[in-house]
Amino acid sequence: DIQMTQSPSSLSASVGDRVTITCRASQGISMYLAWYQQKPGKVPKLLIYAASTLQPGVPSRFSGSGSGTDFTLTISSLQPEDFATYYCQNYNSAPRTFGQGTKVDIK
Amino acid sequence: EVQLLESGGGLVQPGGSLRLSCAASGFTFSSYAMSWVRQAPGKGLEWVSVITGSGRSTDYSDSVKGRFTISRDNSKNMLYLQMNSLRAEDTAVYYCAKEPSRIYCSGNVCYLDFWGQGTLVTVSS
Repeated sequence: DIQMTQSPSSLSASVGDRVTITCRASQGISMYLAWYQQKPGKVPKLLIYAASTLQPGVPSRFSGSGSGTDFTLTISSLQPEDFATYYCQNYNSAPRTFGQGTKVDIK
Repeated sequence: EVQLLESGGGLVQPGGSLRLSCAASGFTFSSYAMSWVRQAPGKGLEWVSVITGSGRSTDYSDSVKGRFTISRDNSKNMLYLQMNSLRAEDTAVYYCAKEPSRIYCSGNVCYLDFWGQGTLVTVSS
């Protein structure tokens, strides 16, 4: 199975900050990488697929980059509604695997 | 509007069985693969199982293979997860999730574009 490792596991940031989350795959997955946002007590929401394609309706302050084994989710200017846990997911090969999550909370 | 509504969760003893259901609406159900994903309390997301739109092909995580069975009834727009030989480590919120059109996927492996609200399964004596 492909292991997905996110870093950091948690971070504290202020409204307006630029935030970067990294996801590393244990082997190359081309661009078959998705990012999800999950707010406390809520359902996961798809933000980005194909490493960098924004799901319709997702604010443009979110962006994704990377290919192969190293990927990045960036929030250009953190908003109050962005405090949440973020997960990456491999869909290059079965089984679908998720990173352990990165919790973004208020500094 | 895509809607997915799970039901069937509850408290069950170790070794017991439970059947989860997911009612789908707002899209052509038979055209899309569907997955189950679970989340243990305070933990991350774990993919459990997938079934193709036709229902002819299924796949499972190693942790549930041989104990869980995914199925669907396209005439009723329903997805199911039959869970047998339940263990304490199966305790989680179980989400059903829709996968996008196969053109966006890597073969039969894909991401999840819409998620249901989840149903809690608790395995405890």
